[in-house]
Amino acid sequence: GEDVEQSLFLSVREGDSSVINCTYTDSSSTYLYWYKQEPGAGLQLLTYIFSNMDMKQDQRLTVLLNKKDKHLSLRIADTQTGDSAIYFCAESYGGGGNKLTFGTGTQLKVEL
Amino acid sequence: NAGVMQNPRHLVRRRGQEARLRCSPMKGHSHVYWYRQLPEEGLKFMVYLQKENIIDESGMPKERFSAEFPKEGPSILRIQQVVRGDSAAYFCASSPDREAFFGQGTRLTVV
Repeated sequence: GEDVEQSLFLSVREGDSSVINCTYTDSSSTYLYWYKQEPGAGLQLLTYIFSNMDMKQDQRLTVLLNKKDKHLSLRIADTQTGDSAIYFCAESYGGGGNKLTFGTGTQLKVEL
Repeated sequence: NAGVMQNPRHLVRRRGQEARLRCSPMKGHSHVYWYRQLPEEGLKFMVYLQKENIIDESGMPKERFSAEFPKEGPSILRIQQVVRGDSAAYFCASSPDREAFFGQGTRLTVV
């Protein structure tokens, strides 16, 4: 079955880059996503990448995908206190609509 | 274009009561997904619906839980005879294609 794993915590200083990592097991994954969840709120889609790509950049966000190792990362440049949140990676596969399998989430804490 | 609307935001039920959670998808979206988030955990898929049809309910508990998405009106997730273990945040997402947009969630507390 599918399994998506993330480290639980990451602490960085304001202005530094943050790198959040994710590994997945389902080789049939078609799309991989990053979501942000602030306390008491829903999930905000940050970005997603198709499995035949290895990189996607969107302003301060860079997604890297190593399909061979089934490893996905999200880099946030110039991290701000407003980036403090829980970040979830998720995967879907083409045959399942947009049914997502989520990782356990990484809590990012940005310190001054 | 309003986002995915869920209500109520918070719901308290006594053990044995019924909980009814509503989700109105974004305009033009015909796919609805329900997820459950237990404390300190990620989201777990429950059910995928299109208008009047259940497409995938592989994540739904076999008893007490049901979901519908009628031709008119919101999608409803119903939990009968709630137990303390049902306490969680329940999120609905709607999707036109590849991007899933989530609502703010309903936080169910069973006392």
